[in-house]
Order: sequence, then C-alpha cells, then structure tokens
Amino acid sequence: GAVVSQHPSWVICKSGTSVKIECRSLDFQATTMFWYRQFPKQSLMLMATSNEGSKATYEQGVEKDKFLINHASLTLSTLTVTSAHPEDSSFYICSATLAGGGEETQYFGPGTRLLVL
Amino acid sequence: QKEVEQNSGPLSVPEGAIASLNCTYSDRGSQSFFWYRQYSGKSPELIMFIYSNGDKEDGRFTAQLNKASQYVSLLIRDSQPSDSATYLCAVARGNNRLAFGKGNQVVVIP
Repeated sequence: GAVVSQHPSWVICKSGTSVKIECRSLDFQATTMFWYRQFPKQSLMLMATSNEGSKATYEQGVEKDKFLINHASLTLSTLTVTSAHPEDSSFYICSATLAGGGEETQYFGPGTRLLVL
Repeated sequence: QKEVEQNSGPLSVPEGAIASLNCTYSDRGSQSFFWYRQYSGKSPELIMFIYSNGDKEDGRFTAQLNKASQYVSLLIRDSQPSDSATYLCAVARGNNRLAFGKGNQVVVIP
C-alpha cells in the first residue's frame, strides 16, 4: 500500500517553455502532498506543501509564480514549472501523507527528471 | 548551524559488518525523526521513524534517538551489498514538513 506515482518520469524541454508534473496517490487519499527538488549530490529541499482544495504553502526562497502547484483532489497534485530555464534542471520528487490525521510518514513518488536546454 | 547535519564522508564497510550513521539536528523542539534510503537515481524510501528516546529495532536496522543531545543514529547490522546507498536523515518541522540532511553514502564491500 501507500504507492505514489509521478508522471512523466523524464522530461526534456526548451528554455522558456512550461512543464507540468503530476503526482498521484494510487491506493490512498492524501490530504497533504509535498514537492521537493534535488540537485546532483545534494539533499532534498522542500519547495512547497500542497493541501487539497487550498493554496500551496511555499518555502522561503521558492518563487510561487514560477512553480505553480494545484491540488485539485485527494489523489492528485500538479507542479508546473513556468518559463523553465537551464538552472531549473533538477530531480523533482513529490511525497504524500495519508489522510485521517496523525500519520506523519511521507511516501515518496519515483521522481521526475527535468532537463531544460 | 544547519537544521539537519550529517557530516560523515562515504562509509565503506565489509559485508556482514555493522554500519553506523549519525545525524544531529538544531531544533530542540523536534519530535519526529526519519531515516530514508536513496539508491542512485531513485527517490527516497522510508527505512524507519522514531519518536521516543532510546532504541527502535526493525530487522537489521536500529534507530537511536537522544533528544537531550539532539542526536539520532542508524545502525545497519549484517550489512549486505544491497545496503549500498545514500542514507538520509530527516526531521519533521511544523505541519509535517521534513528537513533533510545531506546524506551519508554507504558502500558495502563483498
């Protein structure tokens, strides 16, 4: 149980385009989803917290207008990288916590590798 | 001081030995602590979580927490080549937001 998927797993795009990444909880409902970014040889950095039906909460230093997050249902959150640039190339990983209160364990998706040319 | 620190360099252990990983954190009010394993090119997978002072064992893994010293560790007994990975220490902040350390790379030598 507690499976999280991401789509796409790989994306290559031209500079200036926008890229949408989906995060789905497949066998559970997720009240909260989190978006992380990981550069090579670095740790995971939390970008934002996504709550179903409300606006995302962004970490300090993360541009909310550049990284648009939508959490339309209890099983789906999307991250859109707008006007992507080469410095946005990274490994984007989402995670989800079980709905129902009290559960703090985060289950991670397989990640999406973004390469901006 | 970083929120979560894992300072050790790559750790090489012979197969069957014990691997010991350490992590310190800065927020004395932290309550929840996690160890994740990350294989190269993959996303993290949860190994253990610990909330209370003392030891918690799960198979070949033992997590140790000392809140007074703001220290959490992970022991891997009978290390196997499949344990070769990067191990990430994470501490929960408000609203379940996790802060991760840089990770410790473990190499198990057959």
